Amino acid sequence: AQTVTQSQPEMSVQEAETVTLSCTYDTSESDYYLFWYKQPPSRQMILVIRQEAYKQQNATENRFSVNFQKAAKSFSLKISDSQLGDAAMYFCAYARVSGSARQLTFGSGTQLTVLP
Amino acid sequence: EADIYQTPRYLVIGTGKKITLECSQTMGHDKMYWYQQDPGMELHLIHYSYGVNSTEKGDLSSESTVSRIRTEHFPLTLESARPSHTSQYLCASSRLYEQYFGPGTRLTVT
Repeated sequence: AQTVTQSQPEMSVQEAETVTLSCTYDTSESDYYLFWYKQPPSRQMILVIRQEAYKQQNATENRFSVNFQKAAKSFSLKISDSQLGDAAMYFCAYARVSGSARQLTFGSGTQLTVLP
Repeated sequence: EADIYQTPRYLVIGTGKKITLECSQTMGHDKMYWYQQDPGMELHLIHYSYGVNSTEKGDLSSESTVSRIRTEHFPLTLESARPSHTSQYLCASSRLYEQYFGPGTRLTVT
């Protein structure tokens, strides 16, 4: 079974600075998807960024980028120029490609605080 | 605009009551999911569906039941609510791999 580990329960960053959230996963699959989701306080969970395992190039979405290390099974999220609105719980998630199952396996989350 | 909706957003109800949490999506997604999110914020999959008339139990044992009679609708029912059911319930849908989430229902059973 796949597992996703987020070893940082809480992180903080100064506004306008850069922060990196860590995620590691365990799988025997060669093809899969990885995601970062953001859940602001009392608000909807939204998709931040996705990475397809067969693509070597790291995904980037504006101020959000990932460092995908397939051999190390590591998938960290870098937030540049942090803004107050980035404060949220961030979840790393894994999805298998093979088989009919499409469930996501989530990590336990990292609570990000942005300091003004 | 395509979206996913959950009602009610907040519900406080007494023990023993029957409740149904509604989830609807207008994105035409085949797959839909229900998660329970505990106070520590971890997400636990409790039910999922690959299409009409298809439902499966998730990783976390739950006393709730679901139905999928229409593609866009995936309601979750608790026949007899108990205080242990107090939690946040999130509904999601997907076409391929990434899931899109509704705003959630915060349920409190007194």
